[in-house]
Amino acid sequence: ETGVTQTPRHLVMGMTNKKSLKCEQHLGHNAMYWYKQSAKKPLELMFVYNFKEQTENNSVPSRFSPECPNSSHLFLHLHTLQPEDSALYLCASSQGEGLLDLNTEAFFGQGTRLTVV
Amino acid sequence: DAKTTQPNSMESNEEEPVHLPCNHSTISGTDYIHWYRQLPSQGPEYVIHGLTSNVNNRMASLAIAEDRKSSTLILHRATLRDAAVYYCIQGGKLIFGQGTELSVKP
Repeated sequence: ETGVTQTPRHLVMGMTNKKSLKCEQHLGHNAMYWYKQSAKKPLELMFVYNFKEQTENNSVPSRFSPECPNSSHLFLHLHTLQPEDSALYLCASSQGEGLLDLNTEAFFGQGTRLTVV
Repeated sequence: DAKTTQPNSMESNEEEPVHLPCNHSTISGTDYIHWYRQLPSQGPEYVIHGLTSNVNNRMASLAIAEDRKSSTLILHRATLRDAAVYYCIQGGKLIFGQGTELSVKP
C-alpha cells in the first residue's frame, strides 16, 4: 500500500465508449502524474499537475483528457480510444513542485490495466 | 527523453550482493539521481536517491562517482523478492528509460 489508490484496477472498453480513470492520494502531496506503460516498454510520462495546474503535457492525443479538481484527486477521461491505447496507466504523486523539485520520492499506484476492444 | 544508460539485464544469486550500474554522462550540477524498481504487475517503487554523496537506506546503497557521470545501486544481499526492473533516473523530470531487469536465482 503506497498511499496512492487507482480505480478501477482493470477496464475493458470499446472504441466508442467514454470512461474515466481515477487516482487519489491522501499523502499531502501537491504534484500528481499520469504515466502510460505499454507491454515491454518503459513508462511514458503523459501529464503532470502541480497544485491543480497542468505543468506538463507530453504531446498526448486529445482522446486522453486529464482533470485535477484538487491536489488529492486526478482523473484521466478516455474517449474514442484505439486498440493501441491498451496499456497499464499509472498514477503517481510527490511533494514539492513536481518536476522542478525532485529531492523527494514519488509514490505510484498499482495502475489500471486498460484494454480497448 | 531518458538520459541514462543501463544494462538491459543482470543475474544474481540469492543472498549475494548485486551492483547495478548506471551512466548519466549529461548530468548537470543540480540533477539528482533517483532509483526506482518495478516488480511484476506492480507500479514502480522508490528505492533511493542522491546528489553527490553516497547514500544508504534500509533497501539499498547508492554509490555516486566523483564526477557524477555514473552511479551504482548496491543491493547488499539479494533475495528472490528483489527480482524486478530497476530504473536509474537523472534530473528534474521523472522520465523512465528501459531499466535493468534483475533476475535472482535461488
